[in-house]
Amino acid sequence: VQLVESGGGVVQPGGSLRLSCAASGFIFDNHWMIWVRQAPGKGLEWVANISPDGSGTFYMDSLRGRISISRDNTKDSLFLHMFGLTVEDAALYFCAAAGGPWREAAYWGQGALIAVSS
Amino acid sequence: QTVVTQEPSLTVSPGGTVTLTCASSTGAVTSNYYPSWFQQKPGQTPRALMFSMNNKYSWTPARFSGSLLGGKAALTLSGVQPEDEADYYCLLYYGSSNTWVFGGGTKLTVL
Repeated sequence: VQLVESGGGVVQPGGSLRLSCAASGFIFDNHWMIWVRQAPGKGLEWVANISPDGSGTFYMDSLRGRISISRDNTKDSLFLHMFGLTVEDAALYFCAAAGGPWREAAYWGQGALIAVSS
Repeated sequence: QTVVTQEPSLTVSPGGTVTLTCASSTGAVTSNYYPSWFQQKPGQTPRALMFSMNNKYSWTPARFSGSLLGGKAALTLSGVQPEDEADYYCLLYYGSSNTWVFGGGTKLTVL
């Protein structure tokens, strides 16, 4: 299993960003996919997940309305759109794959860093 | 807002046994929360250790075990090794919203 995030960078407060995650080594459209973030020196935060066919999306309460998770099963890719970014959103964003039923975040990518600064 | 609470830090001697716990602000943790546990060493990506309370992944060392203890999810390390020094995070499922919440993490020191 390999998960490779991209799209991180520096964003101005109030700006938006799209993170991507390229998956390989497993049957992508059989698995729930997840985004997890970790602010510098802080703990892990579950951000959102999406069902194998993309029909089910679920979000962390405090971020609902400012983020959107999606996937393209034809390209084995996962996405996270983020809007209205604040300094509190600065973090390392991990893409993760469920390993099966109730095996949330069994496999992890290396993460993509988002910095929010004017 | 749901809060999942873990011990901020614990210390254990090599070869000893330590139990980390994971509590939910919503009440007692049961198997319906499908507790998962993760290990993260400094500068590394988190690694999944346990799922659905007491199920190990193929790569999880045998000295790790999961359970419920006094209304909390628990991760027990028996025969602790120096390489077990790390941050440990639990993850709980909330069926009412179909979301998951990480605990704040426990920094385990092997000394």
